[in-house]
Amino acid sequence: DTEVTQTPKHLVMGMTNKKSLKCEQHMGHRAMYWYKQKAKKPPELMFVYSYEKLSINESVPSRFSPECPNSSLLNLHLHALQPEDSALYLCASSQVGRVAEAKNIQYFGAGTRLSVL
Amino acid sequence: KQEVTQIPAALSVPEGENLVLNCSFTDSAIYNLQWFRQDPGKGLTSLLLIQSSQREQTSGRLNASLDKSSGRSTLYIAASQPGDSATYLCAVKANSKLTFGKGITLSVRP
Repeated sequence: DTEVTQTPKHLVMGMTNKKSLKCEQHMGHRAMYWYKQKAKKPPELMFVYSYEKLSINESVPSRFSPECPNSSLLNLHLHALQPEDSALYLCASSQVGRVAEAKNIQYFGAGTRLSVL
Repeated sequence: KQEVTQIPAALSVPEGENLVLNCSFTDSAIYNLQWFRQDPGKGLTSLLLIQSSQREQTSGRLNASLDKSSGRSTLYIAASQPGDSATYLCAVKANSKLTFGKGITLSVRP
């Protein structure tokens, strides 16, 4: 099973709403990632979690708040978003460890299409 | 800062043609290079991963090569089919981060 499951598939929210995106994997991966992808652009890394600890934050605004409650689950909490935050949000996972770094395939979910009104 | 370039941005070919997609990167200090496929509005599907110590990988009709010293990779698709129509992205990994190219949108005409 190489599946990364993201919910919901689509989300429409107002600028004052609070919502959360969810990502789940059962491959035993200890690294999980959030990416943002605008139309016709490549994915941009937002956050990396390694062993359930935040290891990389690519200077993402605080209105995006990640959370990794356990090794299988990754959340992205959204609050007071702007219309320009509308995008496809992708979650990914991989194994972690310097010895295996070169072999580690990142597996992506299908994404959550977010629209901010 | 690593930069990944994929040219051209779009490509249209007739069915059955063999084709090559190119990817170049500026910093050769990478762990691996991955080729992904993305259908419109969908997530990314990993096609092939080449470790920095490897020269090529094959999966079915796909063959990817890596020349780390020159900062280049190619994805070869044999006997293209309409179902191969998608955007193909290459990404290089260094320091726990993947850096993506902008992708090549491939259209295979029946």
